Amino acid sequence: NAGVTQTPKFHILKTGQSMTLQCAQDMNHGYMSWYRQDPGMGLRLIYYSAAAGTTDKEVPNGYNVSRLNTEDFPLRLVSAAPSQTSVYLCASRYRSYNEQFFGPGTRLTVL
Amino acid sequence: SQQGEEDPQALSIQEGENATMNCSYKTSINNLQWYRQNSGRGLVHLILIRSNEREKHSGRLRVTLDTSKKSSSLLITASRAADTASYFCATTDSWGKLQFGAGTQVVVTP
Repeated sequence: NAGVTQTPKFHILKTGQSMTLQCAQDMNHGYMSWYRQDPGMGLRLIYYSAAAGTTDKEVPNGYNVSRLNTEDFPLRLVSAAPSQTSVYLCASRYRSYNEQFFGPGTRLTVL
Repeated sequence: SQQGEEDPQALSIQEGENATMNCSYKTSINNLQWYRQNSGRGLVHLILIRSNEREKHSGRLRVTLDTSKKSSSLLITASRAADTASYFCATTDSWGKLQFGAGTQVVVTP
Protein backbone atom coordinates (compact mmCIF):
# COMPACT_ATOMS: atom_id res chain seq x y z
CA ASN A 1 0.00 0.00 0.00
CA ALA A 2 1.16 3.54 -0.78
CA GLY A 3 -0.74 4.86 2.25
CA VAL A 4 -1.70 8.54 2.06
CA THR A 5 -0.16 10.41 -0.84
CA GLN A 6 -0.15 14.14 -1.47
CA THR A 7 0.85 16.21 -4.47
CA PRO A 8 2.55 18.54 -5.01
CA LYS A 9 5.19 18.61 -2.27
CA PHE A 10 5.89 22.30 -2.75
CA HIS A 11 4.13 25.10 -4.57
CA ILE A 12 4.21 28.87 -4.84
CA LEU A 13 1.07 30.80 -5.70
CA LYS A 14 0.35 34.44 -6.30
CA THR A 15 -2.45 36.17 -4.39
CA GLY A 16 -5.78 35.58 -6.09
CA GLN A 17 -4.73 32.43 -7.94
CA SER A 18 -6.55 29.16 -7.36
CA MET A 19 -5.09 25.74 -6.86
CA THR A 20 -6.06 22.18 -5.95
CA LEU A 21 -4.00 20.12 -3.53
CA GLN A 22 -4.35 16.43 -4.22
CA CYS A 23 -4.74 13.73 -1.59
CA ALA A 24 -5.36 10.03 -2.09
CA GLN A 25 -5.34 6.93 0.09
CA ASP A 26 -5.44 3.28 -0.88
CA MET A 27 -6.40 1.79 2.49
CA ASN A 28 -10.17 1.92 2.00
CA HIS A 29 -10.47 4.41 4.85
CA GLY A 30 -13.80 6.08 5.41
CA TYR A 31 -12.56 9.18 7.21
CA MET A 32 -10.34 11.73 5.53
CA SER A 33 -9.24 15.13 6.83
CA TRP A 34 -7.27 18.19 5.84
CA TYR A 35 -5.19 20.16 8.34
CA ARG A 36 -2.91 23.09 8.07
CA GLN A 37 0.18 23.31 10.24
CA ASP A 38 1.74 26.64 11.12
CA PRO A 39 4.76 27.18 13.41
CA GLY A 40 3.76 27.15 17.07
CA MET A 41 0.09 26.58 16.21
CA GLY A 42 -0.10 22.82 15.97
CA LEU A 43 -2.54 21.41 13.45
CA ARG A 44 -5.78 23.14 12.60
CA LEU A 45 -8.58 21.11 11.08
CA ILE A 46 -9.87 22.60 7.83
CA TYR A 47 -12.25 19.99 6.45
CA TYR A 48 -13.12 16.42 7.19
CA SER A 49 -15.19 13.74 5.54
CA ALA A 50 -16.73 10.69 7.18
CA ALA A 51 -17.46 8.92 3.90
CA ALA A 52 -17.66 9.44 0.16
CA GLY A 53 -20.32 12.04 -0.61
CA THR A 54 -20.07 13.82 2.76
CA THR A 55 -17.90 16.71 3.90
CA ASP A 56 -17.84 19.03 6.90
CA LYS A 57 -16.17 22.43 7.04
CA GLU A 58 -14.24 23.62 10.07
CA VAL A 59 -12.84 26.96 8.98
CA PRO A 60 -14.75 29.67 7.16
CA ASN A 61 -14.18 30.36 3.50
CA GLY A 62 -11.12 30.19 1.34
CA TYR A 63 -11.23 26.42 0.91
CA ASN A 64 -13.40 23.85 -0.82
CA VAL A 65 -13.28 20.08 -0.89
CA SER A 66 -15.02 17.25 -2.66
CA ARG A 67 -15.29 13.57 -1.77
CA LEU A 68 -16.59 11.87 -4.89
CA ASN A 69 -15.09 8.51 -4.01
CA THR A 70 -13.43 6.77 -1.08
CA GLU A 71 -9.86 7.26 -2.29
CA ASP A 72 -9.56 10.95 -3.18
CA PHE A 73 -10.05 14.10 -1.12
CA PRO A 74 -8.76 17.15 -3.03
CA LEU A 75 -8.56 20.55 -1.34
CA ARG A 76 -9.14 23.62 -3.47
CA LEU A 77 -7.95 27.10 -2.62
CA VAL A 78 -10.46 29.31 -4.38
CA SER A 79 -8.59 32.65 -4.39
CA ALA A 80 -5.32 32.30 -2.54
CA ALA A 81 -4.31 34.81 0.13
CA PRO A 82 -0.95 35.19 1.92
CA SER A 83 -2.66 34.02 5.14
CA GLN A 84 -3.03 30.61 3.50
CA THR A 85 0.73 30.12 3.40
CA SER A 86 1.20 26.93 5.38
CA VAL A 87 1.96 23.23 5.33
CA TYR A 88 -1.15 21.29 4.40
CA LEU A 89 -1.53 17.77 5.75
CA CYS A 90 -4.01 15.20 4.55
CA ALA A 91 -4.92 12.26 6.74
CA SER A 92 -7.18 9.24 6.75
CA ARG A 93 -8.47 6.60 9.14
CA TYR A 94 -10.74 3.60 8.84
CA ARG A 95 -13.32 4.47 11.47
CA SER A 96 -13.76 7.51 13.71
CA TYR A 97 -12.14 5.69 16.63
CA ASN A 98 -9.07 4.41 14.77
CA GLU A 99 -5.56 5.84 14.51
CA GLN A 100 -5.03 8.35 11.77
CA PHE A 101 -2.43 8.11 9.01
CA PHE A 102 -0.88 11.24 7.58
CA GLY A 103 0.48 12.12 4.18
CA PRO A 104 3.87 13.83 3.77
CA GLY A 105 2.31 17.27 3.34
CA THR A 106 2.27 20.08 0.79
CA ARG A 107 4.26 23.22 1.61
CA LEU A 108 2.36 26.12 0.05
CA THR A 109 3.55 29.70 -0.19
CA VAL A 110 1.21 32.49 -1.32
CA LEU A 111 2.96 35.68 -2.39
CA SER B 1 -10.39 26.29 16.82
CA GLN B 2 -8.19 23.74 18.56
CA GLN B 3 -9.58 21.32 21.07
CA GLY B 4 -6.49 20.41 23.07
CA GLU B 5 -3.77 22.35 24.80
CA GLU B 6 -0.47 20.74 25.69
CA ASP B 7 1.65 21.70 28.66
CA PRO B 8 4.51 22.47 28.74
CA GLN B 9 5.11 24.01 25.34
CA ALA B 10 8.73 22.89 25.47
CA LEU B 11 10.67 20.37 27.53
CA SER B 12 14.39 19.70 27.69
CA ILE B 13 15.73 16.59 29.42
CA GLN B 14 18.76 14.32 29.44
CA GLU B 15 18.88 10.80 28.12
CA GLY B 16 17.60 8.30 30.61
CA GLU B 17 15.25 10.75 32.31
CA ASN B 18 11.47 10.54 32.10
CA ALA B 19 9.45 13.09 30.15
CA THR B 20 5.89 14.00 31.09
CA MET B 21 3.55 16.20 29.12
CA ASN B 22 -0.07 17.05 29.70
CA CYS B 23 -3.05 17.74 27.50
CA SER B 24 -6.28 19.46 28.44
CA TYR B 25 -9.36 19.58 26.25
CA LYS B 26 -12.67 21.38 26.28
CA THR B 27 -15.55 19.15 25.19
CA SER B 28 -16.54 15.53 25.65
CA ILE B 29 -14.56 13.02 23.64
CA ASN B 30 -14.81 9.56 22.16
CA ASN B 31 -11.07 8.94 22.43
CA LEU B 32 -7.78 10.75 22.84
CA GLN B 33 -4.67 10.05 20.81
CA TRP B 34 -1.02 11.05 20.97
CA TYR B 35 1.15 11.63 17.92
CA ARG B 36 4.84 12.36 17.40
CA GLN B 37 6.42 14.50 14.72
CA ASN B 38 10.16 14.45 14.20
CA SER B 39 11.75 17.56 12.73
CA GLY B 40 10.78 17.93 9.09
CA ARG B 41 8.93 14.65 8.99
CA GLY B 42 5.38 13.40 9.11
CA LEU B 43 3.15 12.67 12.08
CA VAL B 44 3.17 9.19 13.52
CA HIS B 45 0.49 7.74 15.74
CA LEU B 46 1.75 6.64 19.17
CA ILE B 47 -1.17 5.52 21.28
CA LEU B 48 -4.96 5.78 21.54
CA ILE B 49 -6.96 5.74 24.77
CA ARG B 50 -10.74 5.46 24.76
CA SER B 51 -12.96 7.61 26.95
CA ASN B 52 -13.81 4.64 29.18
CA GLU B 53 -10.15 3.79 29.81
CA ARG B 54 -7.99 5.40 32.48
CA GLU B 55 -4.50 4.21 31.62
CA LYS B 56 -2.72 2.58 28.73
CA HIS B 57 0.83 1.41 28.09
CA SER B 58 2.83 0.88 24.93
CA GLY B 59 6.51 0.08 25.32
CA ARG B 60 8.10 3.07 27.10
CA LEU B 61 4.92 5.12 26.79
CA ARG B 62 2.25 5.47 29.45
CA VAL B 63 -0.90 7.48 28.88
CA THR B 64 -3.51 8.42 31.45
CA LEU B 65 -6.92 9.93 30.90
CA ASP B 66 -9.10 11.74 33.41
CA THR B 67 -12.39 12.59 31.74
CA SER B 68 -13.70 14.37 34.85
CA LYS B 69 -10.84 16.85 34.57
CA LYS B 70 -10.76 16.70 30.76
CA SER B 71 -7.05 16.00 30.81
CA SER B 72 -4.51 13.42 29.72
CA SER B 73 -0.82 12.88 30.30
CA LEU B 74 1.88 11.17 28.28
CA LEU B 75 4.90 9.75 30.07
CA ILE B 76 7.99 8.65 28.16
CA THR B 77 10.27 6.61 30.37
CA ALA B 78 14.05 6.26 29.99
CA SER B 79 14.14 8.81 27.18
CA ARG B 80 16.55 8.54 24.26
CA ALA B 81 17.95 11.10 21.84
CA ALA B 82 15.64 9.60 19.20
CA ASP B 83 12.65 10.73 21.29
CA THR B 84 13.46 14.34 20.36
CA ALA B 85 10.31 15.47 18.57
CA SER B 86 7.08 17.40 18.91
CA TYR B 87 4.28 15.55 20.64
CA PHE B 88 0.63 16.30 19.94
CA CYS B 89 -2.54 15.18 21.64
CA ALA B 90 -5.66 14.85 19.53
CA THR B 91 -9.26 14.26 20.52
CA THR B 92 -12.08 12.60 18.63
CA ASP B 93 -15.61 13.77 19.35
CA SER B 94 -18.84 11.86 18.82
CA TRP B 95 -19.02 13.13 15.22
CA GLY B 96 -15.63 11.66 14.39
CA LYS B 97 -13.88 15.00 14.19
CA LEU B 98 -10.21 14.67 15.20
CA GLN B 99 -8.63 17.89 16.45
CA PHE B 100 -5.10 18.56 17.62
CA GLY B 101 -3.42 20.75 20.20
CA ALA B 102 -0.41 23.00 19.64
CA GLY B 103 2.08 20.38 20.77
CA THR B 104 4.98 19.99 23.19
CA GLN B 105 8.51 20.21 21.83
CA VAL B 106 10.76 17.71 23.57
CA VAL B 107 14.53 17.82 23.31
CA VAL B 108 16.54 14.92 24.71
CA THR B 109 20.24 15.59 25.06
CA PRO B 110 22.85 12.80 25.31
